[in-house]
Amino acid sequence: GQQVMQIPQYQHVQEGEDFTTYCNSSTTLSNIQWYKQRPGGHPVFLIQLVKSGEVKKQKRLTFQFGEAKKNSSLHITATQTTDVGTYFCAANDYKLSFGAGTTVTVRA
Amino acid sequence: SAVISQKPSRDICQRGTSLTIQCQVDSQVTMMFWYRQQPGQSLTLIATANQGSEATYESGFVIDKFPISRPNLTFSTLTVSNMSPEDSSIYLCSGEGQGYNEQFFGPGTRLTVL
Repeated sequence: GQQVMQIPQYQHVQEGEDFTTYCNSSTTLSNIQWYKQRPGGHPVFLIQLVKSGEVKKQKRLTFQFGEAKKNSSLHITATQTTDVGTYFCAANDYKLSFGAGTTVTVRA
Repeated sequence: SAVISQKPSRDICQRGTSLTIQCQVDSQVTMMFWYRQQPGQSLTLIATANQGSEATYESGFVIDKFPISRPNLTFSTLTVSNMSPEDSSIYLCSGEGQGYNEQFFGPGTRLTVL
C-alpha cells in the first residue's frame, strides 16, 4: 500500500495555542483520510480529502490537501484539552495505510 | 454510521494457545478489516475479511497464523493461532459501508500473551 510519513510524532501545546501536523507521501494519493484516537480509545474518522488543493474546516480544525496530492496537513487553532489524542492521516487506496500519528498533549 | 462491537475486550493467554476475536457490526458493511496496534504505535492492516471467500492478507501476515472468517455481511472473526508474547497487541476490526467514505472501528481487543 501507499506509505505516508507524518510529523511531528509528538506535539506538546499550551492551551489556546495553534499547531499543525503534516502528512507526506512520495507518491500521488487518490485521497487521504484523517482520524483521531483518544487515549484508550479507537480511531474515529474526521475527514476525507479528495481534490487537489482541497481545504475543509471543522470548527477549529482545518484540513488541507496539497496541490500535487502528495501531502496534507491538519491545523488546530486555539487548542483545548479536548484536543488531546493521536491524530492519524491515512492514505486511502481501497485500503488504509496509516501514518505514524501525531500524539498531542495540552498544557492547561 | 455503523456501530461495531468486539469480544472479548481483553484477554490474557498462555503461549502456544489460540484466541478467536469476534467482530459484530450493527448494519451491513461491504468491507471489513482487521488491524493490529501496538501500544503507542500506528495501525497495521492484517487483512481484509471477504464475505464468503478467503481473506486477503497483507505482507507479513499469513492465514495459518491469523485465520479469518466472514460468514455474512455483519460478522467476522480473527483467530490468533499458536500465540507467542510477540502477539501481545490491540486487535481492531473496522467496517466500511457502501457509500461511506470512512471506516468505523470497533473498541479493540487487548491481548496479552504470557
